[in-house]
Amino acid sequence: DGGITQSPKYLFRKEGQNVTLSCEQNLNHDAMYWYRQDPGQGLRLIYYSQIVNDFQKGDIAEGYSVSREKKESFPLTVTSAQKNPTAFYLCASSIKRLHSNQPQHFGDGTRLSIL
Amino acid sequence: GDSVTQMEGPVTLSEEAFLTINCTYTATGYPSLFWYVQYPGEGLQLLLKATKADDKGSNKGFEATYRKETTSFHLEKGSVQVSDSAVYFCALSDEGRLYFGRGTQLTVWP
Repeated sequence: DGGITQSPKYLFRKEGQNVTLSCEQNLNHDAMYWYRQDPGQGLRLIYYSQIVNDFQKGDIAEGYSVSREKKESFPLTVTSAQKNPTAFYLCASSIKRLHSNQPQHFGDGTRLSIL
Repeated sequence: GDSVTQMEGPVTLSEEAFLTINCTYTATGYPSLFWYVQYPGEGLQLLLKATKADDKGSNKGFEATYRKETTSFHLEKGSVQVSDSAVYFCALSDEGRLYFGRGTQLTVWP
């Protein structure tokens, strides 16, 4: 079945440590996205990518980095510069970003906590 | 800029009750509108969508109509079930960018 796989489901970070969240899709979608979800808030966009080797900052990119070396993969690194990284992180994809009527498909998320 | 405002929760209903979750939006262009549902510990799933004014999206007994005159996309269901307990997000898509409301927690009791 086609879909989006995020791993790990739970992740713990020590102070001063970078951690990388994995996101893989086999839907042949061009666009991929990373969102952060905090309790009682909607989803906030961190980064997005429309095509391989291209990505743009979203609303809360500070303290995060991404890469898009393959169409299927869009890993997110939470750096030590992100002072409040505890959150639920969701990866999504869509056929093409500029097609507004196409929905985004979501993975099951990674919950990141600070030790 | 674009934004979505949805009814704050939590909403608690008995099984078979009628559900309405209000959603209004602000957009500069001609957005598509979506409702997503999130079950505990999971990602978001698309529930329904509408791409132009007066369109009605429907799925699993849920409905929402795209009302341009009132800039609204309220979610309704005539008879909720315990299995409908989840968080519901209203969202708009403008030039491929999704803007989400804060989510409404629904709990249905048997």
